[in-house]
Amino acid sequence: QVQLQESGPGLVKPSQTLSLTCTVSGGSISSSGYYWSWIRQLPGKGLEWIGYIYYIGSTYYNPSLKSRVTISVDTSKNQFSLKLSTVTAADTAVYYCAREFWTNSGTAFDHWGQGSLVTVSS
Amino acid sequence: EIVLTQSPATLSLSPGERATLSCRASQSVSNYLAWYQQKPGQAPRLLIYDASNRATGIPARFSGSGSGTDFTLTISSLEPEDFAVYYCQQRLFGPGTKVDIK
Repeated sequence: QVQLQESGPGLVKPSQTLSLTCTVSGGSISSSGYYWSWIRQLPGKGLEWIGYIYYIGSTYYNPSLKSRVTISVDTSKNQFSLKLSTVTAADTAVYYCAREFWTNSGTAFDHWGQGSLVTVSS
Repeated sequence: EIVLTQSPATLSLSPGERATLSCRASQSVSNYLAWYQQKPGQAPRLLIYDASNRATGIPARFSGSGSGTDFTLTISSLEPEDFAVYYCQQRLFGPGTKVDIK
């Protein structure tokens, strides 16, 4: 059974860079047919897709966040990471990592981490 | 960018009743639509992908239908554990429908 686990600081100062890592267990991040995504949920709000990476390093980001987002992968550690630069209080959220599998018509998120609350505050 | 809208925002029903949730896309997405359930403090759970395919382990009372721009998630008979927020998703997510106890 594939499991994902987010890790990283729970508190980030305004204007700094938020960094999170997702460790994948029970399966290889290098398997074809999967994207590895970051999704966030602002307090009391809905879900916002941030971006994904394929194991060979190709990425696709939400246009609304693209200028501040970098997602990278380390296949040797079975991990992928998120960096969000120049954060403000509006970036305070629960950040989820998720596996996105390819379906006949598109994709869907079938495995999720438990979520990591990141607060932006001085 | 395809925008998803969901209705109603809140649905108040009793256990045993049928729930019908709607998701509309701003342009055709063919069958590329998924549905998720989220309970407080938990990560979302995939229910339906490709508009009508149940994910592994999802009970048969959950069904999805639709194509193009209009989609429906139906819960045939609400169980106590079904009261939650439901999101549709193509690339981006819809705003969600909360199903609460009447």
